Amino acid sequence: GESVGLHLPTLSVQEGDNSIINCAYSNSASDYFIWYKQESGKGPQFIIDIRSNMDKRQGQRVTVLLNKTVKHLSLQIAATQPGDSAVYFCAENRNGGGSNYKLTFGKGTLLTVNP
Amino acid sequence: DVKVTQSSRYLVKRTGEKVFLECVQDMDHENMFWYRQDPGLGLRLIYFSYDVKMKEKGDIPEGYSVSREKKERFSLILESASTNQTSMYLCASSFDRKLAGVSYEQYFGPGTRLTVT
Repeated sequence: GESVGLHLPTLSVQEGDNSIINCAYSNSASDYFIWYKQESGKGPQFIIDIRSNMDKRQGQRVTVLLNKTVKHLSLQIAATQPGDSAVYFCAENRNGGGSNYKLTFGKGTLLTVNP
Repeated sequence: DVKVTQSSRYLVKRTGEKVFLECVQDMDHENMFWYRQDPGLGLRLIYFSYDVKMKEKGDIPEGYSVSREKKERFSLILESASTNQTSMYLCASSFDRKLAGVSYEQYFGPGTRLTVT
């Protein structure tokens, strides 16, 4: 069945370090992946997305890597700042059929940035 | 600027009450979603709608119903609130994936924290 999970539920880093948040997915039919950031008391905010025809995509200080061979997704945050402290969710979408509207979310990783 | 708004940030209701949560989006999105978010369980889809008057059950529809009479508005209804429905409720919207050249991301509202006593 579909599942999206995270290897680490919590991650603590020092300010200025790079952070890597990992996500495993089990549905090889998924063709779109997205990372969200959720700060305390707020709704999830889009960070970056990637389609399955790509291996890597870069944004501002963030990079998403997709390894379809092992069904693994990661989010890299460069020079992590205290404002990056939040819960990060990965989500997958499978095109076609009755579920092409739906995102399946992982349970989230809490990133804490220590000054 | 993209906007999804929810009618209340905090709501306290009594067991057995009928509860309405309203969501409005201003992006002309076809799809709208209701999730609940609980610690350790992540986001779970309750219902979604891909067009006006169209709805589909998500993963946990029991105890909920929805209404979409206009494209921009999606309502979640708790017919008889129970304490196990105490949660954070998040509304989201997105474009239809069949549209070319659009992002498939879901845009989220700020959430409604509902407490049922």
